[in-house]
Amino acid sequence: GENVEQHPSTLSVQEGDSAVIKCTYSDSASNYFPWYKQELGKRPQLIIDIRSNVGEKKDQRIAVTLNKTAKHFSLHITETQPEDSAVYFCAAGSYNTDKLIFGTGTRLQVFP
Amino acid sequence: KAGVTQTPRYLIKTRGQQVTLSCSPISGHRSVSWYQQTPGQGLQFLFEYFSETQRNKGNFPGRFSGRQFSNSRSEMNVSTLELGDSALYLCASSAVGAGTSGAQETQYFGPGTRLLVL
Repeated sequence: GENVEQHPSTLSVQEGDSAVIKCTYSDSASNYFPWYKQELGKRPQLIIDIRSNVGEKKDQRIAVTLNKTAKHFSLHITETQPEDSAVYFCAAGSYNTDKLIFGTGTRLQVFP
Repeated sequence: KAGVTQTPRYLIKTRGQQVTLSCSPISGHRSVSWYQQTPGQGLQFLFEYFSETQRNKGNFPGRFSGRQFSNSRSEMNVSTLELGDSALYLCASSAVGAGTSGAQETQYFGPGTRLLVL
């Protein structure tokens, strides 16, 4: 069945360091890969997304890479700041449906 | 533009009762999806609606149902509540919906309704 695995489940970094979160999807029909950030008690918010016709996308300190052959995609956050502390979810979606399959989340803690 | 809104924000029910949750999408958005978020299972897809039609349904029992109105507002209902239904119920809206345009668009989440079943 459809499944998205996400690692690590928790990640602690020092302010200024980089953080990398990795996801693997199972459905070869997946072609849309958003990343959401959820702060405690708040709604998930989209931070970046990538489609299957692109291998990499960058937005300031955030980048996402996609390897369609291996069915892997990753989130890279550089120069981390304490306000980056949150739970990050990867997800995979397909054509003709708004259904997203979410990973299990990564709790990122950035220590000053 | 106002964001996605959900009512009520918090709800306490007892086993066996039923509950109705409401979601108002961003103005102009026509697609609404629902998700259940729990610490153990994470974010799980419940259903998606576009133009009052359910396009897709997740792996939840028939006690979970939903509908969408002509103004794109959506409701979900859970009957015969069980303890395991305690969760944060999130809805998300997108402008057109991948069921029509083909490609997924950004989905914007509401703040959620936190349901506690005692």
